[in-house]
Amino acid sequence: NAGVTQTPKFQVLKTGQSMTLQCAQDMNHEYMSWYRQDPGMGLRLIHYSVGAGITDQGEVPNGYNVSRSTTEDFPLRLLSAAPSQTSVYFCASSYGVAGGLRGTGELFFGEGSRLTVL
Amino acid sequence: AQSVTQLDSQVPVFEEAPVELRCNYSSSVSVYLFWYVQYPNQGLQLLLKYLSGSTLVKGINGFEAEFNKSQTSFHLRKPSVHISDTAEYFCAVSTSSNTGKLIFGQGTTLQVKP
Repeated sequence: NAGVTQTPKFQVLKTGQSMTLQCAQDMNHEYMSWYRQDPGMGLRLIHYSVGAGITDQGEVPNGYNVSRSTTEDFPLRLLSAAPSQTSVYFCASSYGVAGGLRGTGELFFGEGSRLTVL
Repeated sequence: AQSVTQLDSQVPVFEEAPVELRCNYSSSVSVYLFWYVQYPNQGLQLLLKYLSGSTLVKGINGFEAEFNKSQTSFHLRKPSVHISDTAEYFCAVSTSSNTGKLIFGQGTTLQVKP
């Protein structure tokens, strides 16, 4: 099983460039989210989606856009890269919410995308 | 809003010794709690979770955690660690209104020394 697949694994950008981090899951999960991981700060939620066509902001949404046209895909777009966006990005998905009628809220993570902005 | 605090950024321990990684949370509503592990250069994987019922939960690789509502804690323990347990550990919280979002702590690096 592929699970959650992120591409690319590594990327170097110059300030001001734009790019898209791809995320795809093959588990038919409704919920998908993007986190960034920085040393000493844990994982911070950027954007999330509760289903196709529905997205919302997390803790640190500025500088990022998302869309969810299909259940499987949840790309993250950097509009104009800045050095502050140098980070490791993780995409995650889950079948349901904790305490809900389905699933347990457990997140399944991709292997991460390491982005450096010069 | 919910928040999670992991009280130790690094925990060094010798192989075969017991270990406890501490996690405290803040929430005005009922919570669901998770511990994840991240091995070097990998994504996160679930160690264990508390949703309801018994406050002592057991996970993979011999880890367990106890939910203490009065102290708003969810500490992770293992009676005897191995070198292979060296990793970063994250505590996370969710609520029924969070629609799939988890809020993570800052992480604790467990360093197991021979």
